[in-house]
Amino acid sequence: AQTVTQSQPEMSVQEAETVTLSCTYDTSESDYYLFWYKQPPSRQMILVIRQEAYKQQNATENRFSVNFQKAAKSFSLKISDSQLGDAAMYFCAYRNSQGGSEKLVFGKGTKLTVNP
Amino acid sequence: GAGVSQSPSNKVTEKGKDVELRCDPISGHTALYWYRQSLGQGLEFLIYFQGNSAPDKSGLPSDRFSAERTGGSVSTLTIQRTQQEDSAVYLCASSPYLNNEQFFGPGTRLTVL
Repeated sequence: AQTVTQSQPEMSVQEAETVTLSCTYDTSESDYYLFWYKQPPSRQMILVIRQEAYKQQNATENRFSVNFQKAAKSFSLKISDSQLGDAAMYFCAYRNSQGGSEKLVFGKGTKLTVNP
Repeated sequence: GAGVSQSPSNKVTEKGKDVELRCDPISGHTALYWYRQSLGQGLEFLIYFQGNSAPDKSGLPSDRFSAERTGGSVSTLTIQRTQQEDSAVYLCASSPYLNNEQFFGPGTRLTVL
């Protein structure tokens, strides 16, 4: 079974600075998807960024980028120019790309605090 | 357009009672998922519906949990004889077809006293 590990229960960053959230995963599959979701206090899960395992290029969405290391099974999220609105729980998630259930496997999350 | 909606937003019940949680997916989405988020835990998968296929129930924690999806749209998650450990946020998500982004609802916070 696939597992996702987020080793940082909490992180903090100063406004306008850069922060990196860590995520590692375990799978025997060669093709899969990885995601970072943001969950503000409203509870609404919002997709931040996704990465297809077959793509070598790291995904980027505005101030959000990932460092995908397939051999190391590592998928970290970098937030540049942090804003107060970035404060939230961040979840790393894995999904198989084909066959069987399309369920997401989540890590336990990292609570990000942004200090003004 | 409208996103995934869930009702009720909050539910408080007594131990031993049955509860029903509702999910309205985005119109046209064929896949629907239920997840549970317990305090201090990540999200755990409960059940998955895809079109007319048999649902994947592999995540349901006990036979007190069941779910149905009527007409390929609205889904109801039922918990019978609720226990205090069932207290959690129950999240529903939908996606338009396989291998695509899952869109989440705001969740139902269930508290079992």
